Amino acid sequence: GQNIDQPTEMTATEGAIVQINCTYQTSGFNGLFWYQQHAGEAPTFLSYNVLDGLEEKGRFSSFLSRSKGYSYLLLKELQMKDSASYLCAVRDRVRDSNYQLIWGAGTKLIIKP
Amino acid sequence: DVKVTQSSRYLVKRTGEKVFLECVQDMDHENMFWYRQDPGLGLRLIYFSYDVKMKEKGDIPEGYSVSREKKERFSLILESASTNQTSMYLCASGSENQPQHFGDGTRLSIL
Repeated sequence: GQNIDQPTEMTATEGAIVQINCTYQTSGFNGLFWYQQHAGEAPTFLSYNVLDGLEEKGRFSSFLSRSKGYSYLLLKELQMKDSASYLCAVRDRVRDSNYQLIWGAGTKLIIKP
Repeated sequence: DVKVTQSSRYLVKRTGEKVFLECVQDMDHENMFWYRQDPGLGLRLIYFSYDVKMKEKGDIPEGYSVSREKKERFSLILESASTNQTSMYLCASGSENQPQHFGDGTRLSIL
């Protein structure tokens, strides 16, 4: 079956580093996305990994290991505005060449001064 | 920038009413999606469409239908609204191998 797991909530301190993990089980993996969602707002795209390794984009980095079914999002130099939910989503083949995104429930990140 | 526009941010309807949620995208994307988001459950796919006049059921299609008469517009219809359809509804669009882009969402309350 399809399943994505990520922690429900995490707390970190302003200026620190935090790592949000995501593990997945899918049948036709074709890429993993991270989105940020502030309360009451729509999700916004952060990163995309389809090959193993680390993708760095400013203060945010995302890592993928396909053999382990594992990804993490790394946030450095945390700012108060980083308080949000972080959604992990996996593109999975549903039939033939069609794909869908399978979504995790999201990790609520709380930043404290 | 990709623009996905949903017709209403907040909507209040009564049980049994027929409800229309509209979504328009301006990037000529082939794919469009309707999700609902509830606390602790994440995003759940209701319906999606890969082309004009084409629709596919997602994970929770019961009680909903959709219409895609033009490429840029994807409508979600609640045939007879019920209280368990109170939720945040999110529309998204995208192209193959590209991230989905979301509208601002419609917070729908069914009384």
